[in-house]
Order: sequence, then structure tokens, then C-alpha cells
Amino acid sequence: NAGVTQTPKFQVLKTGQSMTLQCAQDMNHNSMYWYRQDPGMGLRLIYYSASEGTTDKGEVPNGYNVSRLNKREFSLRLESAAPSQTSVYFCASSPRVLAGPSYNEQFFGPGTRLTVL
Amino acid sequence: KQEVTQIPAALSVPEGENLVLNCSFTDSAIYNLQWFRQDPGKGLTSLLLIQSSQREQTSGRLNASLDKSSGRSTLYIAASQPGDSATYLCAVRGRAAGNKLTFGGGTRVLVKP
Repeated sequence: NAGVTQTPKFQVLKTGQSMTLQCAQDMNHNSMYWYRQDPGMGLRLIYYSASEGTTDKGEVPNGYNVSRLNKREFSLRLESAAPSQTSVYFCASSPRVLAGPSYNEQFFGPGTRLTVL
Repeated sequence: KQEVTQIPAALSVPEGENLVLNCSFTDSAIYNLQWFRQDPGKGLTSLLLIQSSQREQTSGRLNASLDKSSGRSTLYIAASQPGDSATYLCAVRGRAAGNKLTFGGGTRVLVKP
């Protein structure tokens, strides 16, 4: 099992450019998440998908869109990149949505390091 | 709003010494708490997950305790090794605010040979 994979590993964009970050998991998990990690801010949830066909906003959704393409794949799109979106982006998955008492763990991908000039 | 704090932000110990990492949270209404390890330039690796009904979890040299009423968790790493050098993050899953994980800022650990 590869676990959670993300592409690309690194990306440099100019302000106003668009791009899509890809994430896939092979653990048959129902729920998937996108976080960003910034120095001094910790990890913050951008969007999540409780199950195939559903997506919901997290703590910092502005400037991003997501697509749950199928059970395995969850993509994050920046329509018009801004320097404030320079960050490390992590995708994660868990067996099911973090709702209700459960023994869920979240598993993380290796991250995408994005720089917006 | 749930806030998670990890103090100190950085810690340096000689090899062989036990590590004690602290995590505090403001809202005790949680489902569980998860400890992660992050190596420089890498993703997060889950170390331990403690349910709100549990007091502690153990895995090898790692032991995590949870005191929900006081809003604290402690991660103990016995007989530290240079390979334990990393950043350790805790995250709580709350019952409110969409049940999302809220992360602390992490403690950066350096174990000196």
C-alpha cells in the first residue's frame, strides 16, 4: 500500500496562475482532507470530504476549490494563486468522517510545497 | 473555539534521557487526541491516538496520557535516541465545530548524541 500520495511535491507559481494539487489514497478510506501548514500557524483545515460526492468547507476555504473525483481521489484547486497561498499543503484520509465517537485516525501524505511569487 | 497549545516550542536533550512533551487544549469536549511526528520536509506520521474515554496509550517506547478534565495530554518517549529528533504535533478532535482536528503548533525536539 502506498497510503496517501500527493502530486506534485514542489511547485512555483506566479500570482494569478491556477493549478490543481492531486491527492489519492489506496486504503479504501471514506473521508479525505486538505490542510495547509504555515510557520507559526500550525495545520489548518481547508476543505474536507466526508464521503464520495460530498465536500465541506474547513477553517480557511477562501481562494480554494475541491473535487472529490471518486473514493480514492480528492483534488485541491487554486483558481488565481496569491502570495498568501504560499504554504505546504497536506492531504489526509481517514476511514470515515470525524463525526461521532469513533476510533478514526488520520493518515497524511508527504505534502506539496507551493511558492507563489 | 478550541485552541491547542504545545509548550515548549523546542527542546534539546542528551541521548538516553526521557522526553516529556506537553499538549493542552481549551475545550474538554473532545472525541480523541492524536500525536504525530513530522520530520523536516516530510508529512505527518501518526504515533498514537487516545480516545476520550481512555487515560493512556502505549506503543513501544512511547506512552501518551490524557487528562480530559484538565485539558492536557503528555507524550513520554523513553530512553531518547538521535533518531527521535523531529517535530511532534498533537491534535484534538472536538465534538463541536464540524468535528475537525485542531492542531497545536508542535514541539521541535533535538536529541544530541
